[in-house]
Amino acid sequence: SQKIEQNSEALNIQEGKTATLTCNYTNYSPAYLQWYRQDPGRGPVFLLLIRENEKEKRKERLKVTFDTTLKQSLFHITASQPADSATYLCALQAGTALIFGKGTTLSVSS
Amino acid sequence: DADVTQTPRNRITKTGKRIMLECSQTKGHDRMYWYRQDPGLGLRLIYYSFDVKDINKGEISDGYSVSRQAQAKFSLSLESAIPNQTALYFCATSDSGQGSGEKLFFGSGTQLSVL
Repeated sequence: SQKIEQNSEALNIQEGKTATLTCNYTNYSPAYLQWYRQDPGRGPVFLLLIRENEKEKRKERLKVTFDTTLKQSLFHITASQPADSATYLCALQAGTALIFGKGTTLSVSS
Repeated sequence: DADVTQTPRNRITKTGKRIMLECSQTKGHDRMYWYRQDPGLGLRLIYYSFDVKDINKGEISDGYSVSRQAQAKFSLSLESAIPNQTALYFCATSDSGQGSGEKLFFGSGTQLSVL
């Protein structure tokens, strides 16, 4: 069956460190993969999109990698700040709609 | 003003009642979606619509119906609400993408409680 798995439900790190979140999928062949941020009580907000022919994408302190052989995407936040604390969701195209992972909640302590 | 507006923000209803959640958007997007979010289960797709004449079921459409009244409006109905439909509901929009990658824009959500 098709699955999207994010490595852990929660990740706790100290301010200034790099946070690394993992998204694995099985039985999909997505043309692209996306990452969203969700704050409590709010809707998800789009962060980055990476295509199957791209190995890496960067935006400010964010970096996403996409390995179609491993069927895995890594999401990095460098020099993390308490304001980065949120739930991060990966999503990929399955047929004509976008399917989401369950998310990883990141907590950055000062 | 928000680009994707959901009403109401919160709703408490009783088992067996009919309820409608509404979504309107000012982004001019053709595509609209309804998701529900439950703790531990993440976001799951209920229905989606690629234009006014197009309605498609998602992975969990049973017990729900939708209406696309206009390009800007997409409503979700629970004909006879049951307690396990208690969840946070999100409406989302996207433009056609056409291979450029569809980015979703979400509303602020409706917290529905069925007693």
